[in-house]
Amino acid sequence: EAGVTQSPTHLIKTRGQQVTLRCSPISGHTSVYWYQQALGLGLQFLLWYDEGEERNRGNFPPRFSGRQFPNYSSELNVNALELEDSALYLCASSNRVSNQPQHFGDGTRLSIL
Amino acid sequence: DAKTTQPPSMDCAEGRAANLPCNHSTISGNEYVYWYRQIHSQGPQYIIHGLKNNETNEMASLIITEDRKSSTLILPHATLRDTAVYYCIVRVTNFGNEKLTFGTGTRLTIIP
Repeated sequence: EAGVTQSPTHLIKTRGQQVTLRCSPISGHTSVYWYQQALGLGLQFLLWYDEGEERNRGNFPPRFSGRQFPNYSSELNVNALELEDSALYLCASSNRVSNQPQHFGDGTRLSIL
Repeated sequence: DAKTTQPPSMDCAEGRAANLPCNHSTISGNEYVYWYRQIHSQGPQYIIHGLKNNETNEMASLIITEDRKSSTLILPHATLRDTAVYYCIVRVTNFGNEKLTFGTGTRLTIIP
């Protein structure tokens, strides 16, 4: 069974640019979650999508947005990049059966110059 | 979600059992205990979870105290590849609040 896949693995951008990160969930999973892990810090919850709808959002500004497609894959968009957006962006997926774990991909490392 | 407390770091000799404690004294009756680990520069890896009974899978065992205020993750025969940061998370599945709240975890170092 293929795990959660994310692309690209690494990305370098400059301040003010926009970026799109992509995530393909495990087959059969309908929920996708996005987390940010800045260097030396813990994972911070960003967004949760399920069945194409945004269901929950963490404490991040509106320039962080995303969507989920009919095949349950997802994109995370970040506009007007700032230096502090440099981080590992992690995607996880799960199905909606109660208390099933989230499974993570290996993330996209975003560096802002 | 309830808050968890873990020691910041632990060492364990290769081949020995690694016992990682977690305190979750404010856990609610409907909150599960989840364990993940993160090896450097990789995404967190799910290990095991449980509600009140002890659980075992191919990776580890989870021992939850009877009052559910603490738990221990046991890696029975630690190898160098088990060196990672281990996160204990308590979580209620509420379809209005599906997220994991990660703390700072325990950095486990397996010593050759």
